[in-house]
Amino acid sequence: QQPVQSPQAVILREGEDAVINCSSSKALYSVHWYRQKHGEAPVFLMILLKGGEQKGHDKISASFNEKKQQSSLYLTASQLSYSGTYFCGTEIADSWGKLQFGSGTQVVVTP
Amino acid sequence: DAGVTQSPTHLIKTRGQQVTLRCSPKSGHDTVSWYQQALGQGPQFIFQYYEEEERQRGNFPDRFSGHQFPNYSSELNVNALLLGDSALYLCASSIPTGGQPYEQYFGPGTRLTVT
Repeated sequence: QQPVQSPQAVILREGEDAVINCSSSKALYSVHWYRQKHGEAPVFLMILLKGGEQKGHDKISASFNEKKQQSSLYLTASQLSYSGTYFCGTEIADSWGKLQFGSGTQVVVTP
Repeated sequence: DAGVTQSPTHLIKTRGQQVTLRCSPKSGHDTVSWYQQALGQGPQFIFQYYEEEERQRGNFPDRFSGHQFPNYSSELNVNALLLGDSALYLCASSIPTGGQPYEQYFGPGTRLTVT
């Protein structure tokens, strides 16, 4: 079953922060975050394993709440280059490599 | 170092026809996964190949089949095309790391249009 992402879209001004959420009804083993710009391939951002660890990639970080089966992606001090559609891909145990993606969150960062 | 490559870039087919899409994984990668991405949607997992065998499969009909060659490249075949098969088909390659989740590198995709 696909994870649910929210919000569907967000518009930011440069320097503002945003949070994107990804929720699953299944017990997750890992959550993968990707960013896709229009007409391009999805680009890997980070993987989070169950255990609630937090990771960072430049000023983009994420957390994984195992109890809630939810992951959040944090865009801090957003830059124009952060524009794109963000997807979370979830993975359950014994199905490694079989990513179930959400429908995406479109992020637009304006000057 | 070449990344994941896919061919062709674009393809137009007629309903009922068959199509073959190709993927060459990133150097050193031995696992290939295929995804279908409809407009405005997230990628949907079709299947994954490792050691020339289908290891995982998503919820797609048997019209979708694949193959992996000894050099790790892969093909996706779709028979009896339907209008609903129109989508961007993405290939992703990876190196499984002993039971741990691993990063998948995506290719640019093949845009298939069925008329």
